[in-house]
Amino acid sequence: EPEVTQTPSHQVTQMGQEVILRCVPISNHLYFYWYRQILGQKVEFLVSFYNNEISEKSEIFDDQFSVERPDGSNFTLKIRSTKLEDSAMYFCASSDAGQGGTEAFFGQGTRLTVV
Amino acid sequence: RKEVEQDPGPFNVPEGATVAFNCTYSNSASQSFFWYRQDCRKEPKLLMSVYSSGNEDGRFTAQLNRASQYISLLIRDSKLSDSATYLCVVRVADSGNTPLVFGKGTRLSVIA
Repeated sequence: EPEVTQTPSHQVTQMGQEVILRCVPISNHLYFYWYRQILGQKVEFLVSFYNNEISEKSEIFDDQFSVERPDGSNFTLKIRSTKLEDSAMYFCASSDAGQGGTEAFFGQGTRLTVV
Repeated sequence: RKEVEQDPGPFNVPEGATVAFNCTYSNSASQSFFWYRQDCRKEPKLLMSVYSSGNEDGRFTAQLNRASQYISLLIRDSKLSDSATYLCVVRVADSGNTPLVFGKGTRLSVIA
């Protein structure tokens, strides 16, 4: 069964450092997303990406965040200068426009710890 | 006002029991509705979409009441493997561009 894959599974970084989280969405999907979940909290939307550009973003997705699809398979989230409060589980997801783009399938997540 | 509200639980039920979860959403423009399950420290996994007419998938039945902005999930004959957090999820437009809005989840523990 096709799945969304994310690397690394766990990343520890020092405050102020840049991190790049990587994702390989399901191959025939056209919509890509990043969500995050702070421990004990709900899953929160960060950004959606379609046709090589951001289609929607939340208030959380400020200038410190950026996304890129550098090639035909990878989808990355960059945090330029990490803060302690960026510590969370980051989930990449993708969906298939052919199904109306409603259902999203999630990767296993990257646990980011900022120290 | 919270966008998607759920009773956090936990619901502790014996194997074989029937359990029901409820969810309310605040945005009347919501178009798509889902139940996801999330195991501890894992990703959300789609359990089922929720359709206006209600739908069933094996032991799981989902209902939607648009007038009351209310979604429910019924699990019959609970198994130990059903223990997880159940996330109520809505989307304002039926388009891949719009974000999924998650509830905080209802925790279920099925006990032998």
